Amino acid sequence: QKEVEQNSGPLSVPEGAIASLNCTYSDRGSQSFFWYRQYSGKSPELIMFIYSNGDKEDGRFTAQLNKASQYVSLLIRDSQPSDSATYLCAGQVDSSYKLIFGSGTRLLVRP
Amino acid sequence: EAGVAQSPRYKIIEKRQSVAFWCNPISGHATLYWYQQILGQGPKLLIQFQNNGVVDDSQLPKDRFSAERLKGVDSTLKIQPAKLEDSAVYLCASRPLRQGLNTIYFGEGSWLTVV
Repeated sequence: QKEVEQNSGPLSVPEGAIASLNCTYSDRGSQSFFWYRQYSGKSPELIMFIYSNGDKEDGRFTAQLNKASQYVSLLIRDSQPSDSATYLCAGQVDSSYKLIFGSGTRLLVRP
Repeated sequence: EAGVAQSPRYKIIEKRQSVAFWCNPISGHATLYWYQQILGQGPKLLIQFQNNGVVDDSQLPKDRFSAERLKGVDSTLKIQPAKLEDSAVYLCASRPLRQGLNTIYFGEGSWLTVV
């Protein structure tokens, strides 16, 4: 069973802090990884994706991928209360573009 | 560009009844997914279509769930008979076939409550 694992949280950070969300995966053949944000009662929306080892930055968000450790992370700088949501990590496990999701980490940003 | 359309948005049925959900993907998107998301969990892939062919349905409970994508556009997901544990959001998503474009787009979801 190919799995993507996330800590369910909640992860609570003060406004303005850096939030660090982590994800591990079991399939070494996984090619790309995606971070989705999901507000309560809404569908997931894509924040960013990463497929190369290292860091990828987009505004306040930085995704990090370490294929040797099978580890993906998302850093959110200058966290805002509006960032409070569940963050889903997903791995694309083969060339069929099938996405396997983790269970999500709930982030709470305290004003 | 219109997004992924789903209907109905909300449905309440009794156990052992049947229900059908409809999805219209973004125009031109060849790949269509149905995901089941139970409260507090991540989305679980039920079935993936490429055009009108099935790519993966390994986690579809085929004794009660069925899905089709006639003509490679719209798709319907049916549950018959429904069980209490089928209460979930059913998310339809689509992506274009172009290589290197990794984004999949989700619809708003169809919320099912089985009582």
